[in-house]
Amino acid sequence: EVQLLESGGGLVQPGGSLRLSCAASGFTFSNYAMSWVRQAPGKGLEWVSTLVGGGTITWYADSVKGRFTISRDNSKNTHYLQMNSLRAEDTALYYCAKDQGRSYPHWYFDFWGRGTLVTVSS
Amino acid sequence: EIVLTQSPGTLSLSPGERTTLSCRASQSISSSYLAWYQHKPGQAPRLLIYGASSRATGIPDRFSGSGSGTDFTLTISRLEPEDFAVYYCQQYSSSPRTFGQGTKVEIK
Repeated sequence: EVQLLESGGGLVQPGGSLRLSCAASGFTFSNYAMSWVRQAPGKGLEWVSTLVGGGTITWYADSVKGRFTISRDNSKNTHYLQMNSLRAEDTALYYCAKDQGRSYPHWYFDFWGRGTLVTVSS
Repeated sequence: EIVLTQSPGTLSLSPGERTTLSCRASQSISSSYLAWYQHKPGQAPRLLIYGASSRATGIPDRFSGSGSGTDFTLTISRLEPEDFAVYYCQQYSSSPRTFGQGTKVEIK
């Protein structure tokens, strides 16, 4: 059974940093791209970032480019989202998602975690 | 960026009813690269449909997807109590991958 468990969310001041983690199990982690998707309060879903299985290629939404960094440790079946220069508009529930498909961007999200809440406020 | 518009915003229905949710794209989605997800509060979103019409593993056959180009639909043939949730469409035809704003299916 595929399981994705996010952690690392919390309250941070504007301009601050936070690192989210996603622990995966139930599949061969290194074979799959992984993504982060977020949902701001009262809003819909927004794709944030994706990293291929080997960790060499990344993609970012324009809204986070230059501030967020996605990475992974295949030996720990875990991927991460380092968030710097956080803004109030980054406040959201952040979901970890497993990608499925042939080649980017033709990947859909076949499994998701329950999310971790990030609140950016002074 | 492809913008997806879902309608209606909210549906108030009774168990046993049939319903159709709409997802319209601002430009044509190639090869039917469209997915549907179900999301309940406090739970992980769940993949229902990919490739516009293929059911994900374990999804009951009361859920079906159809459409091509710019117009897609998700049909629930007979609503069960566990189907009351928010439904999102998502395109993976071009980057950035985008979602619709969601349709809430609530109990009448």
